[in-house]
Amino acid sequence: DGGITQSPKYLFRKEGQNVTLSCEQNLNHDAMYWYRQDPGQGLRLIYYSQIVNDFQKGDIAEGYSVSREKKESFPLTVTSAQKNPTAFYLCASSIAATGFYEQYFGPGTRLTVT
Amino acid sequence: GENVEQHPSTLSVQEGDSAVIKCTYSDSASNYFPWYKQELGKRPQLIIDIRSNVGEKKDQRIAVTLNKTAKHFSLHITETQPEDSAVYFCAASIEQAGTALIFGKGTTLSVSS
Repeated sequence: DGGITQSPKYLFRKEGQNVTLSCEQNLNHDAMYWYRQDPGQGLRLIYYSQIVNDFQKGDIAEGYSVSREKKESFPLTVTSAQKNPTAFYLCASSIAATGFYEQYFGPGTRLTVT
Repeated sequence: GENVEQHPSTLSVQEGDSAVIKCTYSDSASNYFPWYKQELGKRPQLIIDIRSNVGEKKDQRIAVTLNKTAKHFSLHITETQPEDSAVYFCAASIEQAGTALIFGKGTTLSVSS
């Protein structure tokens, strides 16, 4: 179903802990993205990467960090600095970093921090 | 920064009626406008898109129109069916960010039979 996977599906953490969400794609896509989805807020861009070893901040990058050491992997770390981390997180990829290309989404990870 | 406004936030129609969702965008450099459908508990999926050099695009019961001068675009669904019930998101490309997108807040469409 699209070749982009996220794990785990549900994640629970205590406040003050960092947590890393996994995103892997086997589509050989150049570009990858992280979005946060909250009820009534749509999808908000956290970080995106157009090429290995390079990434840029989106609208709501504060409290998050990413890495892109491999083309197929784009993990997101939610740090303790993120004030309201409980949300549904979606990873996506597209075949190229420029042009008009569909973004394929993963199944998402629902993070709950208490 | 760039912004995409989407209206209405909820829309209820009877089966067979038409549904229209409208979006406006702020970045005049945006040149790609996709629409995604997200069914309950599932991931968003592209249903139709339009590029800035095209005014209208149609795919069976779905059509999208674009007015670049006014910076707005719309999704039209004709002959709605219960399986059209979902959340629909419009999006616009971010000129300096390759294929990255800014999304609207979504429209929950309910089609009753």
